[in-house]
Amino acid sequence: RKEVEQDPGPFNVPEGATVAFNCTYSNSASQSFFWYRQDCRKEPKLLMSVYSSGNEDGRFTAQLNRASQYISLLIRDSKLSDSATYLCVVSPLSSNTGKLIFGQGTTLQVKP
Amino acid sequence: GAVVSQHPSRVICKSGTSVKIECRSLDFQATTMFWYRQFPKQSLMLMATSNEGSKATYEQGVEKDKFLINHASLTLSTLTVTSAHPEDSSFYICSARMVIGPLHFGNGTRLTVT
Repeated sequence: RKEVEQDPGPFNVPEGATVAFNCTYSNSASQSFFWYRQDCRKEPKLLMSVYSSGNEDGRFTAQLNRASQYISLLIRDSKLSDSATYLCVVSPLSSNTGKLIFGQGTTLQVKP
Repeated sequence: GAVVSQHPSRVICKSGTSVKIECRSLDFQATTMFWYRQFPKQSLMLMATSNEGSKATYEQGVEKDKFLINHASLTLSTLTVTSAHPEDSSFYICSARMVIGPLHFGNGTRLTVT
């Protein structure tokens, strides 16, 4: 079983749609969680950290469910520019380390 | 602006040659940097943790004699792919973090070995 699992997609949605991605992790001791965005042939860029209480940043909402060991990302009012691969990232130790475990990524394609 | 600079962004080399990739932290000191590799349609895989002033820590399955890492200063880590072969063709990315906060990634190096 992979340490971090995501549905690779692709998710094809029209502009304005709401789309949600889930990600499961296997290590119950994991401490830190992130969503990164990666555009084709580019480096990953931090989209948002995921906090236990859930957090929102504009059209993006991230949630963590420790009991079920999954995190989610909700994108509202999708834009064409949201088309990218979204990487679920888990840190197995405290956030003081940089060792991150990446999911395979979920590809989102927003159509006009 | 970028906080981690990686160079070169793209390199094509012949089989058997060595390639050096540089990763610099801009405006901050990074005692630890990380090197990842990503094959097409696959996730980033951590290759090694680069520690300033000491030996790098390699992940299981990564050959330390093939992927030489040098972290000679608090702002520079280098990865040298020695005797590169076509199967080493990949996207190599470094990352570093400030004292607090998330990891920041370099812009990556696309290596093609012919």
